[in-house]
Amino acid sequence: QKEVEQNSGPLSVPEGAIASLNCTYSDRGSQSFFWYRQYSGKSPELIMFIYSNGDKEDGRFTAQLNKASQYVSLLIRDSQPSDSATYLCAVNFGGSSGDKLTFGTGTRLAVRP
Amino acid sequence: KAGVTQTPRYLIKTRGQQVTLSCSPISGHRSVSWYQQTPGQGLQFLFEYFSETQRNKGNFPGRFSGRQFSNSRSEMNVSTLELGDSALYLCASSWFRGGTDTQYFGPGTRLTVL
Repeated sequence: QKEVEQNSGPLSVPEGAIASLNCTYSDRGSQSFFWYRQYSGKSPELIMFIYSNGDKEDGRFTAQLNKASQYVSLLIRDSQPSDSATYLCAVNFGGSSGDKLTFGTGTRLAVRP
Repeated sequence: KAGVTQTPRYLIKTRGQQVTLSCSPISGHRSVSWYQQTPGQGLQFLFEYFSETQRNKGNFPGRFSGRQFSNSRSEMNVSTLELGDSALYLCASSWFRGGTDTQYFGPGTRLTVL
């Protein structure tokens, strides 16, 4: 059973700080990686995806992928109270697992004003 | 462009009944994936449909089934409902490949089984 692990949190950071969210996965051959944000009572919305090792930046968000160590992280710079949500990491393991996403259980982020 | 729509938004059923949920993907999207979300298990993949064919399947019992129509709309059915089936059921559409392309989620159907 291929797994995606996240710390459930809550991760509490002050407004303006950098929030660092981490995700580990069980298969080194995994192909694509996604970060979704889910506000309470709402459906998930995509923040970023990353396929290659290294960093990918989009505005205040940076995704970092290290396939050798099997982790992917999301950094949120200048955190705002509106960033308070659950962040879901999703991995496409591919191969025998098929072309589908496996989600972690999410990390709850709380940004203190 | 209209987003993913799901109907109904809320359902209350009793054990043993069956239920059908509907999902209309974003126009032009051909892949529809279904997920079950519960507080304890998080988002669990049910199945994916593409061109009216089930392309991937998760680890759920046969009581969970689905289908896709020629216009890409999809339905999922749960028969012989159990209390543990209470969950938020989300569908997500993507252009071609559910595991690779960006998935856009609908608002979900909240199912309560009494």
